[in-house]
Amino acid sequence: DSGVTQTPKHLITATGQRVTLRCSPRSGDLSVYWYQQSLDQGLQFLIQYYNGEERAKGNILERFSAQQFPDLHSELNLSSLELGDSALYFCASSVGEDRVSPLHFGNGTRLTVT
Amino acid sequence: AQSVAQPEDQVNVAEGNPLTVKCTYSVSGNPYLFWYVQYPNRGLQFLLKYITGDNLVKGSYGFEAEFNKSQTSFHLKKPSALVSDSALYFCAVRDWRLTGGGNKLTFGTGTQLKVEL
Repeated sequence: DSGVTQTPKHLITATGQRVTLRCSPRSGDLSVYWYQQSLDQGLQFLIQYYNGEERAKGNILERFSAQQFPDLHSELNLSSLELGDSALYFCASSVGEDRVSPLHFGNGTRLTVT
Repeated sequence: AQSVAQPEDQVNVAEGNPLTVKCTYSVSGNPYLFWYVQYPNRGLQFLLKYITGDNLVKGSYGFEAEFNKSQTSFHLKKPSALVSDSALYFCAVRDWRLTGGGNKLTFGTGTQLKVEL
């Protein structure tokens, strides 16, 4: 068990809808990362937060947004969903922003858009 | 940008035989390299990392990795494979010079390891 908790585990929704994915990092970790995993794109970095502040942005669509709250949990909001957004979404956390600390991953949220 | 490549989509090995999963990297500056394993319907689990120092890095579950600067490689190895090692393995590099001061791990495409009896 990595200590990173993601809810829900599965989400099935229709095109055009909006969903929120939630992540609780490991106790003591200040950095949160979001990744998308799909068969055709592999593991894609979306966004990173550190202690409530956005620090790095990857291939995140404008329809997607995220935030990290004062209690350090994070939410990823996906709106105007399309079939192509179906994927496994992972949250990861690390202690800080140093180069050496590994990321610890949650078990992911599997999103299916129908 | 930092990147890693995993040239093999799948590696098959018999139980008890040594295994190698290949990874090459392309970085500017010193590399910070990681290996992760993913079991079906699970998140990625950290196996080991190379930061500096010894070229042979030991990690979890009997895995080790050999860093080779001249060949820009960081291959994952295990002396004796187990059926339970069958999983998807990812090599990753730390990309820490991002606008805004942030960082991320950039992953390879993954290698499916299949260990057979």
